[in-house]
Amino acid sequence: GAVVSQHPSRVICKSGTSVKIECRSLDFQATTMFWYRQFPKQSLMLMATSNEGSKATYEQGVEKDKFLINHASLTLSTLTVASAHPEDSSFYICSARGWDSVYEQYFGPGTRLTVT
Amino acid sequence: EDQVTQSPEALRLQEGESSSLNCSYTVSGLRGLFWYRQDPGKGPEFLFTLYSAGEEKEKERLKATLTKKESFLHITAPKPEDSATYLCAVQADKLIFGTGTRLQVFP
Repeated sequence: GAVVSQHPSRVICKSGTSVKIECRSLDFQATTMFWYRQFPKQSLMLMATSNEGSKATYEQGVEKDKFLINHASLTLSTLTVASAHPEDSSFYICSARGWDSVYEQYFGPGTRLTVT
Repeated sequence: EDQVTQSPEALRLQEGESSSLNCSYTVSGLRGLFWYRQDPGKGPEFLFTLYSAGEEKEKERLKATLTKKESFLHITAPKPEDSATYLCAVQADKLIFGTGTRLQVFP
């Protein structure tokens, strides 16, 4: 149980284009979903928290106009990187928390974004 | 400021050589401490949750313990398949991760 998927697993795009990453909870309903980014040999940094049907809450320093988050249903959240630039290249990981989880988060496999 | 520090950064063990990984933390209002395993290019895989000092959890060759200031992940008789990065995270207002311990177990 508690499986989270992400799509795509890897994406390469040109500078200036937008990229959408999907995060799905496969076997549970996710009341809250989280988006993290991870640079090589560094820890996961929380970007934003989203609750189904509500606007996402962004961490300090994260541009909400660049990283657009939509949590349209209890099993799907999307992260759109708008007008991506090379400095946005990173490993993006989503996680989800269900009704019966007090604080446990279950993580997706991650999406490697490379902007050329 | 809430902070999580893991040591060592990297650890090389011979198969069967037991050891411990450390996670020390300073956080106001600890609501839980988590251990995850992360393989290269993958997302973190949940291992344990600890909520209060003195609590212990076990799973196969892994055992996690918690005090008021730190947590240990003990690895007993590790195997090469235990090679991974082990992440510690604390739940305060948000989940705060340490930078991990990269474990390599050689046959």
